Amino acid sequence: EGQLVESGGGLVQPGGSLRLSCVASGFTSSNYWMSWVRQAPGKGLEWVANIRQDGNEKYDVDSVKGRFTISRDNAKNSLYLQMNSLRAEDTAVYYCASLKKRVMFGRDHWNFDLWGRGTLVTVSS
Amino acid sequence: DIQMTQSPSSLSASIGDRVTITCRASQGIFDYLAWYQQKPGGVPNLLIYAASTLQSGVPSRFSGSGSGTDFTLTISSLQPEDVATYYCQNYDSDPWTFGQGTKVEIK
Repeated sequence: EGQLVESGGGLVQPGGSLRLSCVASGFTSSNYWMSWVRQAPGKGLEWVANIRQDGNEKYDVDSVKGRFTISRDNAKNSLYLQMNSLRAEDTAVYYCASLKKRVMFGRDHWNFDLWGRGTLVTVSS
Repeated sequence: DIQMTQSPSSLSASIGDRVTITCRASQGIFDYLAWYQQKPGGVPNLLIYAASTLQSGVPSRFSGSGSGTDFTLTISSLQPEDVATYYCQNYDSDPWTFGQGTKVEIK
């Protein structure tokens, strides 16, 4: 059975940087779009970014544009999130997730399929 | 961006009760809607996609309906293991957005 394990979280000062990693095992992650989703303490879910299988198509939420970069290394079954210029409002558990696409009546339906347990990022002085 | 508004924010119901959660999109999203369940201390788990298609392995007491802007998640007979927060999620267009969540508790 597939598994995703995140790492790289921790305490960082405002304006600092962190690089999150997510390693996949038990399935071929290079066959899937991958995502980062975050959840601030006690709050709801927020989609952060998606990346295509070959890494050449990416999408991210406006609040992280220009500061966060999603990337992947398929040879290492790994997904990354480079986070720069961190702000207090970036404090959250960051989950990586695989995306599953289903085609129904000619239209694409996407969902977050497999999730990691998350890694906590705390931005505070 | 498409805003997703869930109601209620929380509810308390008895075992066996029928529970309904609604989700409203700020503009039409066809049926590009999923529902996730997040149990306390756990990670989200897909329940419904395409607004009404039950994910494999999810109990049949869960059902989804709706299209356009108004959607519903129904638990036909609430069970103790259904204590969780439920989120709707739009995947019609970038950025994908979640509702704020509905916390379901047992009375």
